[in-house]
Amino acid sequence: KQEVTQIPAALSVPEGENLVLNCSFTDSAIYNLQWFRQDPGKGLTSLLLIQSSQREQTSGRLNASLDKSSGRSTLYIAASQPGDSATYLCAVFQGAQKLVFGQGTRLTINP
Amino acid sequence: SAVISQKPSRDICQRGTSLTIQCQVDSQVTMMFWYRQQPGQSLTLIATANQGSEATYESGFVIDKFPISRPNLTFSTLTVSNMSPEDSSIYLCSVGASTDTQYFGPGTRLTVL
Repeated sequence: KQEVTQIPAALSVPEGENLVLNCSFTDSAIYNLQWFRQDPGKGLTSLLLIQSSQREQTSGRLNASLDKSSGRSTLYIAASQPGDSATYLCAVFQGAQKLVFGQGTRLTINP
Repeated sequence: SAVISQKPSRDICQRGTSLTIQCQVDSQVTMMFWYRQQPGQSLTLIATANQGSEATYESGFVIDKFPISRPNLTFSTLTVSNMSPEDSSIYLCSVGASTDTQYFGPGTRLTVL
């Protein structure tokens, strides 16, 4: 059974810092991995999708990497801003279009 | 990308009643999914809604408790039946094609008293 773990569970950093969020998964037989952002009481916003054949994807200040063999993905956020404060979720496609989610990292950027 | 709307956005219900949540997509999609997010928890897949066939439920979820309809390629409903306080959660629908990006609706926040 696929298990997805995100570390740390919560992170608080001052504005302007670069930071890394971690995601690990137990079964490397994944189709792809997706990072989402969730604001309090809201739905999910897709940030980046990494196909299983890719090593990384970039969108603006965000860069996500994928190492299937080690079962790890990272989300790098450059020059963090208060508006980046949210919960970040990673999810892996585990066949049949089923997404398995991690517990999320609650990120707070302090002005 | 797909634009997804859900109704209602939130509701407060009494124990023992049922609530039907609607999910509307702005384009035709093959697969629609229903997720539950319990307080402080991550998302768990309830079922996959296929147009023209029965929904496929994940382990721990049953049709009698969470009946799903999928009358066409842009719409689906999830009913939470005979509710108890343990059903208090955010319910989200999502759409995707094969292993492409999945998009989520804004969610329905349900509180059961």
